[in-house]
Amino acid sequence: DTGVSQDPRHKITKRGQNVTFRCDPISEHNRLYWYRQTLGQGPEFLTYFQNEAQLEKSRLLSDRFSAERPKGSFSTLEIQRTEQGDSAMYLCASTQTASGNTIYFGEGSWLTVV
Amino acid sequence: AQRVTQPEKLLSVFKGAPVELKCNYSYSGSPELFWYVQYSRQRLQLLLRHISRESIKGFTADLNKGETSFHLKKPFAQEEDSAMYYCALSGGASGSRLTFGEGTQLTVNP
Repeated sequence: DTGVSQDPRHKITKRGQNVTFRCDPISEHNRLYWYRQTLGQGPEFLTYFQNEAQLEKSRLLSDRFSAERPKGSFSTLEIQRTEQGDSAMYLCASTQTASGNTIYFGEGSWLTVV
Repeated sequence: AQRVTQPEKLLSVFKGAPVELKCNYSYSGSPELFWYVQYSRQRLQLLLRHISRESIKGFTADLNKGETSFHLKKPFAQEEDSAMYYCALSGGASGSRLTFGEGTQLTVNP
């Protein structure tokens, strides 16, 4: 197992376009998180899933953002009608709640909106 | 509401000197506290958690509930300790989300 993987690692898009990020958690991890990080800030929580159920969404997650985890394995985060303020690193993380709860992070997906 | 404060954005020490990275938190219940580290060009990774009461890479951190602090300490810094350090808090429920501080960039000079 290579850990949490995210794709793409970098994305440059024009304002107004839609983008989608994918996260593959560590296998058999039942909980998956999305965070956003901007320069000079710590990661900020966006949303998380317990298996396929989305259990919590931050107020940071506007209507233009949607996340899914349809089969309880990989997850996607879509941003519609991107704005320059969406430029950030989008981090995915996962954990197995039954075994120690250590949260493991992916390397992140850099989004630049031009 | 839960909040984590790391008052120092930058911290620079010389190799062999003691280092302390400060972390204060605000939480109404019984939190679980963590330190995460991000080395250059690497992913964020767990350094230590207060419930483990262990020393990792020579670092220790003690939870002080009276002062609501969880400072990270190492008696003799090494150049390879240079990294970004984030203090984080979890509400305690199994797998609860983490709230991060803004991070402290530690530089250990030769």
